[in-house]
Amino acid sequence: DTVLTQSPALAVSPGERVSISCRASEGVNSYMHWYQQKPGQQPKLLIYKASNLASGVPARFSGSGSGTDFTLTIDPVEADDTATYFCQQSWNDPPTFGGGTKLELK
Amino acid sequence: EVQLQESGPGLVKPSQSLSLTCSVTGYSITSNYWGWIRKFPGNKMEWMGYISYSGSTSYNPSLKSRISITRDTSKNQFFLQLNSVTTEDTATYYCAREIPGDYWGQGVMVTVSS
Repeated sequence: DTVLTQSPALAVSPGERVSISCRASEGVNSYMHWYQQKPGQQPKLLIYKASNLASGVPARFSGSGSGTDFTLTIDPVEADDTATYFCQQSWNDPPTFGGGTKLELK
Repeated sequence: EVQLQESGPGLVKPSQSLSLTCSVTGYSITSNYWGWIRKFPGNKMEWMGYISYSGSTSYNPSLKSRISITRDTSKNQFFLQLNSVTTEDTATYYCAREIPGDYWGQGVMVTVSS
């Protein structure tokens, strides 16, 4: 299976820019997606196919990358962005998820 | 508005079967793909499988011998059955539309314990 590696945690101050990385063990073309999950809630799709903003998601969120290295950027970060962010690839079978990056605000 | 809601027992005994229902409103399950995903304690997430608009299925090979996803189009519901569960199947189970999942249910926590 394709392994997706994310940093476990990040801490930033409101108003700053943060980049969350996801590295794949093999190429996934542009089929990388990003989710936000808050405690007790279901995941929410933020970005699909590397750089496409999902419906209703603020333009503060953006995605980039292709192949094996992908980045989710939040600029500027707001207090409400405290959450865990997951990447998911759907190019290789089976689809797999990263371990999640917990974003905390200082 | 598309809404998904999981339902089923929160406690299952080891070696038994886990059965969950996903009820969909606002959209027909005869369109798109409908899947099950689970999140283990500690955050790891696993895609389990899906049933397509035509009724065809695809499963994670790690579960292939134990999993079945079916549907009832008259009720706009689809189902997960996972056989021979162990404590390692303890997780929160989600149903979702499509990959990537653009609509998700709230999730149901299932504990496998005697």
